[in-house]
Amino acid sequence: DTGVSQNPRHKITKRGQNVTFRCDPISEHNRLYWYRQTLGQGPEFLTYFQNEAQLEKSRLLSDRFSAERPKGSFSTLEIQRTEQGDSAMYLCASSPPDPTGELFFGEGSRLTVL
Amino acid sequence: GNSVTQMEGPVTLSEEAFLTINCTYTATGYPSLFWYVQYPGEGLQLLLKATKADDKGSNKGFEATYRKETTSFHLEKGSVQVSDSAVYFCALSGGYNKLIFGAGTRLAVHP
Repeated sequence: DTGVSQNPRHKITKRGQNVTFRCDPISEHNRLYWYRQTLGQGPEFLTYFQNEAQLEKSRLLSDRFSAERPKGSFSTLEIQRTEQGDSAMYLCASSPPDPTGELFFGEGSRLTVL
Repeated sequence: GNSVTQMEGPVTLSEEAFLTINCTYTATGYPSLFWYVQYPGEGLQLLLKATKADDKGSNKGFEATYRKETTSFHLEKGSVQVSDSAVYFCALSGGYNKLIFGAGTRLAVHP
């Protein structure tokens, strides 16, 4: 079991550029979640996939944000026209088909927008 | 809507001291409750959980009891160690088992 993997771990970009983060969940997990965490705050829910279907999106997920999970395996989170307020840690988590409520988190991808 | 409030940190203790981190919640229905921990440089990991009222979750010497009457899930440990230094997050489960987190409480334990 290799755990949830996220890439890149750290991305520095200039305002206005597009960035994409990738998440590889634990292989047998069909549920996948994206969260955003800013300094001194707890993680905030962004979106949820069950297999390839995106079933819920937070109001935090503006139209500059898009997430996909083709084939129900890995997922990508793209941020277009980045703003300084997008600087945060983006966390991915997964859980198995018969969830006990526990989410398994990756180490996160830190975005810095200059 | 559902929300979690936990005590602000940082909490600074000497080794072997008693720890309490307060957590209260607002929720419709009866959510499951969790404590997650984030050690420096690592991802969030589950510390303990409770799925119904009066359940006690425990792990690594930490305990928390699901109190419906006070809508609380306080984290306790009888004797902390330096290795317990981390950020602790209280959370509840919402729809689709998504978690709603508190702001986190940083714990620093000194020898």
